[in-house]
Parts: sequence; structure tokens; C-alpha cells
Amino acid sequence: GAVVSQHPSRVICKSGTSVKIECRSLDFQATTMFWYRQFPKQSLMLMATSNEGSKATYEQGVEKDKFLINHASLTLSTLTVTSAHPEDSSFYICSVAWTATNEKLFFGSGTQLSVL
Amino acid sequence: AQRVTQPEKLLSVFKGAPVELKCNYSYSGSPELFWYVQYSRQRLQLLLRHISRESIKGFTADLNKGETSFHLKKPFAQEEDSAMYYCAPLYNQGGKLIFGQGTELSVKP
Repeated sequence: GAVVSQHPSRVICKSGTSVKIECRSLDFQATTMFWYRQFPKQSLMLMATSNEGSKATYEQGVEKDKFLINHASLTLSTLTVTSAHPEDSSFYICSVAWTATNEKLFFGSGTQLSVL
Repeated sequence: AQRVTQPEKLLSVFKGAPVELKCNYSYSGSPELFWYVQYSRQRLQLLLRHISRESIKGFTADLNKGETSFHLKKPFAQEEDSAMYYCAPLYNQGGKLIFGQGTELSVKP
């Protein structure tokens, strides 16, 4: 069964609105979750590392005010795309680290965001 | 800088043919290396990790530290192997997986 649940799977929104994407760890408590972005036919680009109970660590070039990450519990991390624009349209994927050394990752099924 | 290169965007072979998906990584410490696979309409999943030296679905990968390569191989490709394959080194700093560009494997009947 799925270890990670990501919701919603698809969302269409108007430009200027905010969208929240949830990532839930179903089988174990995860202190660390990762958020990726994937463009069509391209690789996964790590956006940020979500740490339970503390601020997320963002990768270079990722606007933290644009992509708000909240990891308030050991089983839930949320990514909020604020004031979305068409260029934010992408496939967003979360993953959960199985071990403390982040060796084995379980991935969510992804969220396709389309901003009109 | 931490970098991983998969030179082939698309690899097309016939069923039963050998397949090799190339991966080269930049040397920064001693990264652990993984191959992840994404079948059509499915989520990304771990295929194999070099430290375990196991063979999954007939795939193996040998770490060559001299060439900083971690090529994925299978002697006889099957149609169900058609998928996107990502090489991913895990660097010690921050425990982050860095994904390669991915190689689409297409196995034709």
C-alpha cells in the first residue's frame, strides 16, 4: 500500500490565488519531507526540505515567500503556492525519508498544478 | 558542485536486447547511489541502491569510483521495463538526493 499520500492530485486555479498541497506520511512518523518540482520530460528539482517543528530549508533560487512550507506534525507537510502565476504551473511531488539518513525515499503521487 | 549526468534522454531497444543506462556523478565525498524508476502513471519508486548490491527485476548497477559512474544494466530487456529511470546520488551534506535528468527507456516488442 501507499506510504505517502499527496492531495490533491490535480488542481486548476486562477492567477493570483493560493493553492495548498498536502503530503501525508501514512505508515510512520517523518521528521523530514522533501518537496520537488518537475517540468514535463525533465528531472525532479528539489525545492525545499521540510523539517518537523522548524523552518524549512529552501534550495537556491526557490522563493520561500512564494512557496510556503509548513510541517506542523510528524505526518503532515503542506506546500502553499501563494499568489500563483502561470509560470508556477508544474508537477509538484513530495517525498518522505524512510531513515534518519534520508536514504530511502517514498514518493507521493504528485500534484499537477495548472494556473490560468 | 554536486552534479549527476544521464547523457541519454531516450534509449530505445528491442525486447530481449541488453540495455545500459548511463549515469555519471560528480565526486563530492563518497555519495551513496540509487536508481529510481517511474512507470507510466505511477509514482517514483526506488529500484536499487548500490550499497545493498541486490538485483531488482534483473537490473544491476556497478559503482565505478574511478570513472565516477553508476550505470544501470540489464542483460535482456522486457517490454514492462519501459519507464523513466533516474540516477540519484545521496550526498552526505544535508542528506539530499540529487536527481539526474532521467532516461526514458522504451522497449519495443
